[in-house]
Amino acid sequence: DVQLVESGGGLVQPGGSLRLSCAASGFRFGASAMNWVRQAPGRGPEWLSYISTGSLNFNYADSVKGRFTISRDDAKNSLFLQMNSLRDDDTAVYYCARGPEHTLDVWGQGTTVTVSS
Amino acid sequence: SALTQPPSASGSPGQSVTISCTGTSSDVGGYKYVSWYQHHPGKAPKLLIFEVNRRPSGVPDRFSGSKSGNTASLTVSGLQPEDESEFYCSSYAGNRPVVFGGGTKLTV
Repeated sequence: DVQLVESGGGLVQPGGSLRLSCAASGFRFGASAMNWVRQAPGRGPEWLSYISTGSLNFNYADSVKGRFTISRDDAKNSLFLQMNSLRDDDTAVYYCARGPEHTLDVWGQGTTVTVSS
Repeated sequence: SALTQPPSASGSPGQSVTISCTGTSSDVGGYKYVSWYQHHPGKAPKLLIFEVNRRPSGVPDRFSGSKSGNTASLTVSGLQPEDESEFYCSSYAGNRPVVFGGGTKLTV
């Protein structure tokens, strides 16, 4: 089965850091562009970041540019999101998703990040 | 959210319901890349419609999409109890590069 499984979420203080992981299975991960999307409580999804195949191209939403870094390890079928300088409004469920930004055809179930003192 | 959806919609089993998604000429109205996603709480969101009206393999033809000007629509025909969930639209938006709607909770 095609599957994405996120991990690494948790409770972190404002200003802290967290690294999210996304394990892919059931498809050619190295041939797939990948994204991170988040959803804050009571709000719609927010696209955060994109990484192309071969890590040739990257893109970030203005809200996380300079604080978050997307990366991938094709040998381990894994996607990552390094999150620094976390703020209260970064509290959300974080999803990894496959595809170009405008058509996300596979999503994980998400990992919850709570930023609070 | 950048795209406007009605917060709720409802229908009885077997009926049809249409959910709207209104943007601007910089997103919905300007590109063919409108997608719709279905999300049951606690599960992975699922792609229902892409490129305005195309269905991925395995999505029933009860789900259909359309667009007119700056407004896209998702129609669910022959409502089934398992359709009760949250629906989100998204659109390519150039430099941003994708924006989502706030979601519509469908009650069957």
